[in-house]
Amino acid sequence: IQLTQSPSSLSASVGDRVTITCRASQGINNYLAWYQQKPGKAPKLLIYFASTLQSGVPSRFSGSGSGTDFTLSISSLQPEDFATYYCKQLNGYPITFGQGTRLEIK
Amino acid sequence: EVQLVESGGDLVQPGGSLRLSCAASGFTFSDHHMDWVRQAPGKGLEWVARVRTKVRSYSTEYAASVKDRFTVSRDDSKNSLYLQMNSLKTEDTGLYFCARDNNKYSHDYWGQGTLVTVSS
Repeated sequence: IQLTQSPSSLSASVGDRVTITCRASQGINNYLAWYQQKPGKAPKLLIYFASTLQSGVPSRFSGSGSGTDFTLSISSLQPEDFATYYCKQLNGYPITFGQGTRLEIK
Repeated sequence: EVQLVESGGDLVQPGGSLRLSCAASGFTFSDHHMDWVRQAPGKGLEWVARVRTKVRSYSTEYAASVKDRFTVSRDDSKNSLYLQMNSLKTEDTGLYFCARDNNKYSHDYWGQGTLVTVSS
């Protein structure tokens, strides 16, 4: 199952609302997760089951979608949100990640 | 506190072998499927392998790129996860993370990674 994220990179300002999309090549039963990764660090789980917020993750992060089309939204960007974001499916093997979306400060 | 600590990464020549370890603490290791995920320098995340729990017969899954070369295993008595890597290729170079499956189709804890460099 291929996951295609868009955009590949994004420039935004603190306080902006941003949306990242992830499209699967076939239905994945909402077994989709979103991760944030900062340089030199391990990925951090943000959202699982497409829309469930992981404990401890700020509520400005939200996920939505079903079937093959999913989105990650950040309602009001904070300085610590500038990072790379990945979607990942665990509906079938091999487990696959999107190619990543690099969120940069404008 | 949940902790995953990888070790074993090194510089190795093409065709060589390496064994990675991941020491787990702070949770009931035997209750969780475990995965290896890697990241080539400057690239995205790539899932490598999974080993399931004893209830699922310690069954395994592999990415096509490593199948028949890598072997994932676990020792629940030692709270440890392993990745035996044989016939290494330059494209296996990267940071290798171990990650815990949270039984909710996602990985909630990750180690800091161990660096594998395959080069002559």
